[in-house]
Amino acid sequence: GAGVSQSPSNKVTEKGKDVELRCDPISGHTALYWYRQRLGQGLEFLIYFQGNSAPDKSGLPSDRFSAERTGESVSTLTIQRTQQEDSAVYLCASSQTGSYGYTFGSGTRLTVV
Amino acid sequence: GDSVTQMEGPVTLSEEAFLTINCTYTATGYPSLFWYVQYPGEGLQLLLKATKADDKGSNKGFEATYRKETTSFHLEKGSVQVSDSAVYFCALDTGTASKLTFGTGTRLQVTL
Repeated sequence: GAGVSQSPSNKVTEKGKDVELRCDPISGHTALYWYRQRLGQGLEFLIYFQGNSAPDKSGLPSDRFSAERTGESVSTLTIQRTQQEDSAVYLCASSQTGSYGYTFGSGTRLTVV
Repeated sequence: GDSVTQMEGPVTLSEEAFLTINCTYTATGYPSLFWYVQYPGEGLQLLLKATKADDKGSNKGFEATYRKETTSFHLEKGSVQVSDSAVYFCALDTGTASKLTFGTGTRLQVTL
């Protein structure tokens, strides 16, 4: 597609429920990143995909968080048993390997009530 | 570890005022440096970048110079407009296609 697409744009969920966030990167972009942006804070790295594999998942905050990517395409970030501190905007970005300049999606605003 | 420190916001300026947003970094090796901008309701967009010492990145009237000796990458604009109101993030990358490390962001509000 023309840009990085994320869905849903907004998600309100009850504490303890599981949520799944989706990212469609730009076609041909082999690298894909997930970041979290809490209110009033900077961007926090979660995980990086190169193709199907995730060479850096050092930012995932707990084992409740997982992510997968199929081919060099869609990625899903899953949060199990959501907690209130998971409330944030989750941003996805993609880039071509070896290219600087990531393209970000508009994010998914997650609110855990 | 790598880190980026930005000046606290919000920064409020009148239209046509001079803008400086300070950014300093700590990194191993020789990072590339970036400024991203997030307009209200939109995703982050790359504003400018510099990949080696003394490089100057520029775009839309904004400039930033990579200063290795002071580990800084301050963002400047000579005359801001209301449409520049946004949150500005400084970031670094120490390897090709590796993760970006971001500062906390600086909110700029420009008034008439």
